Amino acid sequence: QKEVEQNSGPLSVPEGAIASLNCTYSDRGSQSFFWYRQYSGKSPELIMFIYSNGDKEDGRFTAQLNKASQYVSLLIRDSQPSDSATYLCAVPASKIIFGSGTRLSIRP
Amino acid sequence: EAQVTQNPRYLITVTGKKLTVTCSQNMNHEYMSWYRQDPGLGLRQIYYSMNVEVTDKGDVPEGYKVSRKEKRNFPLILESPSPNQTSLYFCASTSSTGSYGYTFGSGTRLTVV
Repeated sequence: QKEVEQNSGPLSVPEGAIASLNCTYSDRGSQSFFWYRQYSGKSPELIMFIYSNGDKEDGRFTAQLNKASQYVSLLIRDSQPSDSATYLCAVPASKIIFGSGTRLSIRP
Repeated sequence: EAQVTQNPRYLITVTGKKLTVTCSQNMNHEYMSWYRQDPGLGLRQIYYSMNVEVTDKGDVPEGYKVSRKEKRNFPLILESPSPNQTSLYFCASTSSTGSYGYTFGSGTRLTVV
């Protein structure tokens, strides 16, 4: 089993809708989680991090963490075409472990 | 401005010609890392360094070398590049705890012909 798993997509969401991205992880001891956004050919950009169970909101983005079920999700409200990108989940361990990313496409 | 600076951004070279990709950070981060990214394979770690003079292999170290003589710099060396090293490379750094995630450089697109 991979340490961090994401559905590769592509996930297609209509403009204005909620995009929901999911990530599962194998290490029960993981304490913090990161979401990165990566546009094609560009470097990953940190958009959210979460340490505690529950929700963390930042503008149109909400990260949700459920440690008991070992998943973390990212919700993007009022999706915009500029949100079209690959979203990477990352978990710090002895090093930071990245999922393979979910490609999100927002259709007008 | 806090940043990780990679150079060059684009590089085309021939098989066997030694090259170095430079990486420098101005955040006094202890931890630095090199990744390569290929379509469908995600980010794969090549080498990492936890501090000056401390380096270790990542998941795909074959064909690469690194050094960490100063805290701010972490160059990636390809002694004898081959076409299978054609890829997009990223340098990244973080504090020793990793609590705030990585800061990435802008990337180097390398083509080996």
